[in-house]
Amino acid sequence: GAGVSQSPSNKVTEKGKDVELRCDPISGHTALYWYRQSLGQGLEFLIYFQGNSAPDKSGLPSDRFSAERTGGSVSTLTIQRTQQEDSAVYLCASSLADRGHGYTFGSGTRLTVV
Amino acid sequence: QKEVEQDPGPLSVPEGAIVSLNCTYSNSAFQYFMWYRQYSRKGPELLMYTYSSGNKEDGRFTAQVDKSSKYISLFIRDSQPSDSATYLCAMSSTGSARQLTFGSGTQLTVLP
Repeated sequence: GAGVSQSPSNKVTEKGKDVELRCDPISGHTALYWYRQSLGQGLEFLIYFQGNSAPDKSGLPSDRFSAERTGGSVSTLTIQRTQQEDSAVYLCASSLADRGHGYTFGSGTRLTVV
Repeated sequence: QKEVEQDPGPLSVPEGAIVSLNCTYSNSAFQYFMWYRQYSRKGPELLMYTYSSGNKEDGRFTAQVDKSSKYISLFIRDSQPSDSATYLCAMSSTGSARQLTFGSGTQLTVLP
């Protein structure tokens, strides 16, 4: 596609439920990132995928968070047993290489845990 | 203390004004500096990218890096209502996107 597509754009869930957030990167981009943006905070790196290499999960805040990338394209971020502090905008970005000045963000999924 | 400090604003200016947005940082190893613009309910988009110290100009936008003072700035000349957005600074010691440290963003409104 022309850009990075994320779905849903908004998600309201009850505390304790699991949620799945989806990211469709730009076609041909081998690098894919997930970030979290909380109110009044900068972007927080969560996880990075590059081709067929093992993902860099160093930014995941707890074991309730996981992500996968199927076929080197679409990625899903899963949050299990959601907590109110998980409320944030989850942003996905993709690029041709791991460069901070060369990647394109999606519009994000706004997650609200009530 | 955060590694990157950015005044959250909000900042409100009249159309045509010169806008100055700033970030300070504490990590002397940072050498890649970026400014992103984020419209409401959109993802950030790269505005300016600078390596090491110096100035870089692109149209109405000028980025300045002063590594000796650990201070970076973004200037917007002849500001327009379409410049109304949140501006995020970001920086890293390597070029890796995984190691970018972002400021919390400054919300700018340009009044017509």
